[in-house]
Amino acid sequence: EPEVTQTPSHQVTQMGQEVILRCVPISNHLYFYWYRQILGQKVEFLVSFYNNEISEKSEIFDDQFSVERPDGSNFTLKIRSTKLEDSAMYFCASSDAGTHNEQFFGPGTRLTVL
Amino acid sequence: AQSVTQLDSHVSVSEGTPVLLRCNYSSSYSPSLFWYVQHPNKGLQLLLKYTSAATLVKGINGFEAEFKKSETSFHLTKPSAHMSDAAEYFCVVSDYSGGYNKLIFGAGTRLAVHP
Repeated sequence: EPEVTQTPSHQVTQMGQEVILRCVPISNHLYFYWYRQILGQKVEFLVSFYNNEISEKSEIFDDQFSVERPDGSNFTLKIRSTKLEDSAMYFCASSDAGTHNEQFFGPGTRLTVL
Repeated sequence: AQSVTQLDSHVSVSEGTPVLLRCNYSSSYSPSLFWYVQHPNKGLQLLLKYTSAATLVKGINGFEAEFKKSETSFHLTKPSAHMSDAAEYFCVVSDYSGGYNKLIFGAGTRLAVHP
């Protein structure tokens, strides 16, 4: 069964460093998303991506964040200069339509900023 | 704006007894609603979804949920709990505003199942 994969499973970084979180969505999906879950809090929407551009982003997704689909398979989230409060679980998701269809989630990357 | 409220942060049941996880939603239009489950150190797995078809929705692992518009509820039930059901459950509403889909999560309900 096709699935969304994410690497690494756990990333530890120093404050101020850049990190890139990687995702491989399901191959025939067209819509891609990033969500995050700070420990003990809700899962929050960060950004959606379609047709090689951002379709919507939340208030959390400021200039420190960027997304890219560098090739036909990967979807990345870059945090330019990490802060302590960026420590969270980051989930990638993909779907094959923009409205009702299910979003398939990856296992997440736990980011720890020291 | 769309939102969901999960009425219980923790639910504890005995194995073999019924499970009820409560969720109320707020939506300015006919919503799509989902329940996702997260087992420890695992990703988010879809249990079931409501997208304006039948109001009683059956999902995986014996779970089902009923959409009640008059009560703005979408409670998750299972007749008989199994130890493997212990996990975090999220009620989720889909927000189409802006023309694209994003998911709005509830705070989650942690289900504990005791022998």
